[in-house]
Amino acid sequence: DQQVKQNSPSLSVQEGRISILNCDYTNSMFDYFLWYKKYPAEGPTFLISISSIKDKNEDGRFTVFLNKSAKHLSLHIVPSQPGDSAVYFCAASPETESYSGAGSYQLTFGKGTKLSVIP
Amino acid sequence: DAGVTQSPTHLIKTRGQQVTLRCSPKSGHDTVSWYQQALGQGPQFIFQYYEEEERQRGNFPDRFSGHQFPNYSSELNVNALLLGDSALYLCASSLDRESYEQYFGPGTRLTVT
Repeated sequence: DQQVKQNSPSLSVQEGRISILNCDYTNSMFDYFLWYKKYPAEGPTFLISISSIKDKNEDGRFTVFLNKSAKHLSLHIVPSQPGDSAVYFCAASPETESYSGAGSYQLTFGKGTKLSVIP
Repeated sequence: DAGVTQSPTHLIKTRGQQVTLRCSPKSGHDTVSWYQQALGQGPQFIFQYYEEEERQRGNFPDRFSGHQFPNYSSELNVNALLLGDSALYLCASSLDRESYEQYFGPGTRLTVT
């Protein structure tokens, strides 16, 4: 049972345009969400995060939107650059240790979306 | 400032053997988590170490065990290797147990034949 779903395995975008990566989750106990970027032969690199008390968080060209009622979040990259080409993982964590079956701060990842930015 | 380092980079083992993977956390970090990433999948949480004790564990059998040393470095041990254990093993460190933001190493690619 996948608790974090990234339904698009891949996405191609022209340089300078907007990239939108989507993520859905099923576990209502998730309270904190993160996006990681992964280049080949490297470990995932933290990109941006959002707490469930917010619906938007910005950091430069990257913005994450959270729709808690729909259990959906998205990552917007504007403008997209060729160096953004990588696999992007959505991750989620419950906030408290009281959640049965998972400890706090334990990340559950989606399968990833491979973004290709075409020059 | 050194990031998270892992050794070895690649490893080939035979089914039934045992393997030890090593991780040094980012400078100043005291919590280490281990993840398994199978091909085409996202990283899956194995366990987390803090103050030299296993604090949290994911849905992995007892064949997977670990250790954290006083200098915060960590080892992941897998006994009685199965073909299905072939994966990229990622180590992540964080500032403390209550930090969501984890910093990952490049991983160890384990192949079981």
